This record gives sequence, structure tokens and C-alpha cells, in this order.
Amino acid sequence: AQSVTQLGSHVSVSEGALVLLRCNYSSSVPPYLFWYVQYPNQGLQLLLKYTSAATLVKGINGFEAEFKKSETSFHLTKPSAHMSDAAEYFCAVSASEYGNKLVFGAGTILRVKS
Amino acid sequence: DTEVTQTPKHLVMGMTNKKSLKCEQHMGHRAMYWYKQKAKKPPELMFVYSYEKLSINESVPSRFSPECPNSSLLNLHLHALQPEDSALYLCASSQGLLLGEQFFGPGTRLTVL
Repeated sequence: AQSVTQLGSHVSVSEGALVLLRCNYSSSVPPYLFWYVQYPNQGLQLLLKYTSAATLVKGINGFEAEFKKSETSFHLTKPSAHMSDAAEYFCAVSASEYGNKLVFGAGTILRVKS
Repeated sequence: DTEVTQTPKHLVMGMTNKKSLKCEQHMGHRAMYWYKQKAKKPPELMFVYSYEKLSINESVPSRFSPECPNSSLLNLHLHALQPEDSALYLCASSQGLLLGEQFFGPGTRLTVL
């Protein structure tokens, strides 16, 4: 099984609409989970991280994610999309069974329509 | 300073050239990483340095040669590359080895002709 699965390689929302980017992980031990954003021709910027503290994690730019162990999910949400949110988003997991390396999902490209 | 810098921003080289990519961070991080990212793909780990020593080499071809001269600086020396090596090369750093979040630089866009 893949260690990180992002459902939907492309997601399109209207400006002002809810953003929901899905991420499911596979880990038999408590993982660290991350969401990164990448704008065209740029590096990755950390949006938020889960490191076994609060299950609801708030990040930058109004994004948040909820760790649900029972569903092995860490979906990223934002109540109201802005044009500047258009980018590629990567979910990543770090766990001892992966040598603590950062394992990325395939990425989801978010398009925001005006 | 919470920034990882990379130079050059763009690099075009022939298959017989020798070039180097440079990465620098001043956050006091003791682990540094090289990733390769092809278009529309996630980053792939290449090398990990911890306390200036090579900790992980993900079976990268020897035409890529990393170097960590000090705790703030990471180089990637390139020699006899192939066109398929064209990609975005990202540097990252973290406080500890493979713990917590990694901070990424803007990358070097490499084109091999």
C-alpha cells in the first residue's frame, strides 16, 4: 500500500468556496504529518504539521487539517478559497517505518475560478 | 533568519560540463537534504547530511556528488549529466536528522542539453 495517497490530482473550486484536499496515510506507528504548498517554479512552503499534539491543526493562510486516526486521514481545508491559493499541495508523512524520511503524496493541483 | 537559499536559480549545462549547486541556511539546523523534483511529480530524496556527515544516499548515480563543507553550507557537484537529469533540485534543512519539519529552498532549475 502507498504510504501517502492524495485523492484527486486536480481540484477546482470557485473563489470564496470551501477548499477540501484529501490525504490518507499508511502507518502502523504514530506518524508526523505535513502539508506543503508549492507555487510554480518555487520551493515547498510548510502550511501546517501534525506531531501528535492537538488533532485539529491550524496553519498559515487560513488552512487547517484534522488528524483522524480511525480514518487514517489528514485532509486539508480552508473555508473560503482565494485566487492566491492556486498552487500544488503535497501531503507528506514521516514515520519510523519509513526511516523517518519525508514521504510525499503525488500532489494535488488546486485551481481557483473567479 | 528562517530562509534556505539556493544558487543559481537556473542552470543550463552540457553533458560534458562540470557545475555545482549551492545551498545555504543560517537557522542553526544540523541536517540538510537534497531532493530532485521532476515536472508534475513530488520531490524525491537524494542525499541527507547530518552534522556535516553523509547519512543517507538514496542510490543516486555517482555523477551527482554532494559535499557539506560546514554546518551552513551544502553543495551538489554535477558531472557528465544526462538529459533525463533535468529537473528542479531542492535543498532543505531541519533542526534534527529526519525530525520535524523540513524547510525548503526555492530550488535550482537544471536543464541538461
